[in-house]
Amino acid sequence: AQTVTQSQPEMSVQEAETVTLSCTYDTSESDYYLFWYKQPPSRQMILVIRQEAYKQQNATENRFSVNFQKAAKSFSLKISDSQLGDAAMYFCAYRSGGGGSQGNLIFGKGTKLSVKP
Amino acid sequence: DSGVTQTPKHLITATGQRVTLRCSPRSGDLSVYWYQQSLDQGLQFLIQYYNGEERAKGNILERFSAQQFPDLHSELNLSSLELGDSALYFCASSVAPHPGQGAYGYTFGSGTRLTVV
Repeated sequence: AQTVTQSQPEMSVQEAETVTLSCTYDTSESDYYLFWYKQPPSRQMILVIRQEAYKQQNATENRFSVNFQKAAKSFSLKISDSQLGDAAMYFCAYRSGGGGSQGNLIFGKGTKLSVKP
Repeated sequence: DSGVTQTPKHLITATGQRVTLRCSPRSGDLSVYWYQQSLDQGLQFLIQYYNGEERAKGNILERFSAQQFPDLHSELNLSSLELGDSALYFCASSVAPHPGQGAYGYTFGSGTRLTVV
């Protein structure tokens, strides 16, 4: 079974600085997708960024980018120019490229990010 | 507003009782997923429906059941409630019948906070 591990329960960053959140996963599959979700105090789960495993190029969405290392099964999230609104729980998630229950999202335990003014 | 509507937002009930959580998917989405978020277990996949039919099952207890109606809204029924069932229950929707179709994450609702006392 696939697993997702986020080894940093909590992280802190100064406003305008850069922070990197770590995520590793375990799978024997070659076709899969990876995601980062943000959960602010409002509890809403918000998709931040996604990466297809077959793409070598790292995904980027404005201030958010990933470092996808397929061989190492690592998928870290870099937040540049951190803003107060970035404070939230961040979840790394894996999804198989296949269907059925294997195709559903498998989440890590999350990293709580604090942003200091 | 994500387009996925969950009601109620908060629910407090006693042990042994039965409750129903409701979810209206985003317009055009045929798949509905239910997730449970608790402090000790993180985000766990419960069940998926596609166009009225059960598509995949995760870690759903026998005391729990769900269905998706012809208008595509879904209900999650929780019975014989225990203290440990207290959690945040999320509904998510997607257009695809199974997540393998396209590299899209889901659109989540804002959740129902269930407290069992």
